[in-house]
Amino acid sequence: NAGVTQTPKFQVLKTGQSMTLQCAQDMNHEYMSWYRQDPGMGLRLIHYSVGAGITDQGEVPNGYNVSRSTTEDFPLRLLSAAPSQTSVYFCASSSGAATYEQYFGPGTRLTVT
Amino acid sequence: GDSVTQMEGPVTLSEEAFLTINCTYTATGYPSLFWYVQYPGEGLQLLLKATKADDKGSNKGFEATYRKETTSFHLEKGSVQVSDSAVYFCALSSGYALNFGKGTSLLVTP
Repeated sequence: NAGVTQTPKFQVLKTGQSMTLQCAQDMNHEYMSWYRQDPGMGLRLIHYSVGAGITDQGEVPNGYNVSRSTTEDFPLRLLSAAPSQTSVYFCASSSGAATYEQYFGPGTRLTVT
Repeated sequence: GDSVTQMEGPVTLSEEAFLTINCTYTATGYPSLFWYVQYPGEGLQLLLKATKADDKGSNKGFEATYRKETTSFHLEKGSVQVSDSAVYFCALSSGYALNFGKGTSLLVTP
């Protein structure tokens, strides 16, 4: 049981490049979400999903795209990277709504130059 | 909208000292409240939670009580250890996700 896995662990992009951050969970959780963590800002919600085929925007969705074709996977796409997207990205999953424990992945540290 | 405010860090304590990290919240309805901990280089882990007023969450010697009258969920530990050094986040349930405070960094010295 690997829990929540994220790849890559580190990534450096140039402004304008696109990439996909991968997230997978093996706990059969319906709920998955993406957060970004910035110094002094806590974690802010980017996008979330309540099940396969269903996604919605969080607090800071601009510049990011998601889809959920399977229960296990929830990739986050950066369409055209900007320096403001330099951050640490965390994926999380849970078996229910936010009142349930959320399980976090180890994070992806992204630098955009 | 819903929000969480927690005390600014960093907090530096000697081993065996008493710890309090303050957390207050603003929310409509009756959210669940959480404390998550992040050790260096890792993701967040649930430390404890409380789902209704006057509930006390506890784990690993840490405690927090859901106080509706003061809209607070302060984290306490009677005797901290060096291994407790981490960043602590207070959070509340908001719809389908969590609303986090900015985090409080704790350093415990021998």
